[in-house]
Amino acid sequence: AQSVTQLGSHVSVSEGALVLLRCNYSSSVPPYLFWYVQYPNQGLQLLLKYTSAATLVKGINGFEAEFKKSETSFHLTKPSAHMSDAAEYFCAVSGGSNYKLTFGKGTLLTVNP
Amino acid sequence: NAGVTQTPKFQVLKTGQSMTLQCAQDMNHEYMSWYRQDPGMGLRLIHYSVGAGITDQGEVPNGYNVSRSTTEDFPLRLLSAAPSQTSVYFCASSPAGTTYNEQFFGPGTRLTVL
Repeated sequence: AQSVTQLGSHVSVSEGALVLLRCNYSSSVPPYLFWYVQYPNQGLQLLLKYTSAATLVKGINGFEAEFKKSETSFHLTKPSAHMSDAAEYFCAVSGGSNYKLTFGKGTLLTVNP
Repeated sequence: NAGVTQTPKFQVLKTGQSMTLQCAQDMNHEYMSWYRQDPGMGLRLIHYSVGAGITDQGEVPNGYNVSRSTTEDFPLRLLSAAPSQTSVYFCASSPAGTTYNEQFFGPGTRLTVL
């Protein structure tokens, strides 16, 4: 069984500030982890994924995430927020099958000018 | 490639009506899944398929049926719509093979049940 907890349903940052979105997971098997982004009224788009090849994963649009097994975390960061980053972000875990993702409840990111 | 397509984009039903949400993909992916998205709940898996003729239940299957007669199509049927099924529905597909292959999502169908 697996689960995902995203800390903070809403995060607000100023343009140019650090973005930190938190994700903790639970999995009974070695996990594969994903971050997806959803812009208003659109589907989900993959930002990045952890596949055990490297603990620091770089994704699109300047985002990156670090897998920390000891903390069961996969937090998403971006050094400098842009207005276009405003969206909802979902962390997901695959516990052995890529057709059965378990999603967190999402974090809405607001970027203030 | 069109990727994953879903129709309709919007639908309003009355309680008790039935309908089918269509999903198609042109990437020759073996795996397909249906999720529903509700505010504050994230996405929850309804049904999934690992290939033509093979389907199984996800986390919230009650009130929904699926079938997969071809690789490309994976329709979701609501048998007797209820207000609790008001949601946004997403179809996704992924290739078989490694378990970290990403899922590709369609644009969604926004369903309202009155």
